[in-house]
Amino acid sequence: AQTVTQSQPEMSVQEAETVTLSCTYDTSESNYYLFWYKQPPSRQMILVIRQEAYKQQNATENRFSVNFQKAAKSFSLKISDSQLGDTAMYFCAFMIKGGGSQGNLIFGKGTKLSVKP
Amino acid sequence: DSGVTQTPKHLITATGQRVTLRCSPRSGDLSVYWYQQSLDQGLQFLIQYYNGEERAKGNILERFSAQQFPDLHSELNLSSLELGDSALYFCASSQSPLHTEAFFGQGTRLTVV
Repeated sequence: AQTVTQSQPEMSVQEAETVTLSCTYDTSESNYYLFWYKQPPSRQMILVIRQEAYKQQNATENRFSVNFQKAAKSFSLKISDSQLGDTAMYFCAFMIKGGGSQGNLIFGKGTKLSVKP
Repeated sequence: DSGVTQTPKHLITATGQRVTLRCSPRSGDLSVYWYQQSLDQGLQFLIQYYNGEERAKGNILERFSAQQFPDLHSELNLSSLELGDSALYFCASSQSPLHTEAFFGQGTRLTVV
């Protein structure tokens, strides 16, 4: 079975600063995807960034980047130049590639991020 | 707006009752997923449908059932409700299981009293 662990229940950062959210996972699969989803107070789940396990290059989307360490099973999210609108719950998620389980997300418990002015 | 529509947004019902949650996926999406978000269990995958057929099951209770109709909308039926079923229920859709970007609806907040 796959598990996703987010060890930081809450974090805060000053506006314009950089913050890193941690995520570790456990799996015996070799082909999979990793995601970070954002859930603002509106409760809408929004995809922030996605990484394919076979790609060694870390994914980047504007101010969001990941540090993917496959051997360590670590997948952290770095938010640069934090903005007030980044205040949200952030969920790390795992998806097996291929087979009947593809499409199904396994989520961590989340990290509540507060960006302070 | 993700394009995924869930109704109702809020639902309050009594223990023992049955409710139906509805989801309309994004236009063109054939896959529908249901997730439950609760304080105790976090976000859990319940069930997946693809083009009308059940494709995968997660931690879905026997009291819960779902289906996807020919027009691709989906319904999640929850019966014999218990206090512990109070949660936010999300529907998500994607073009197919091969498409990894899922778009989530805004959820249905179910409160069982």
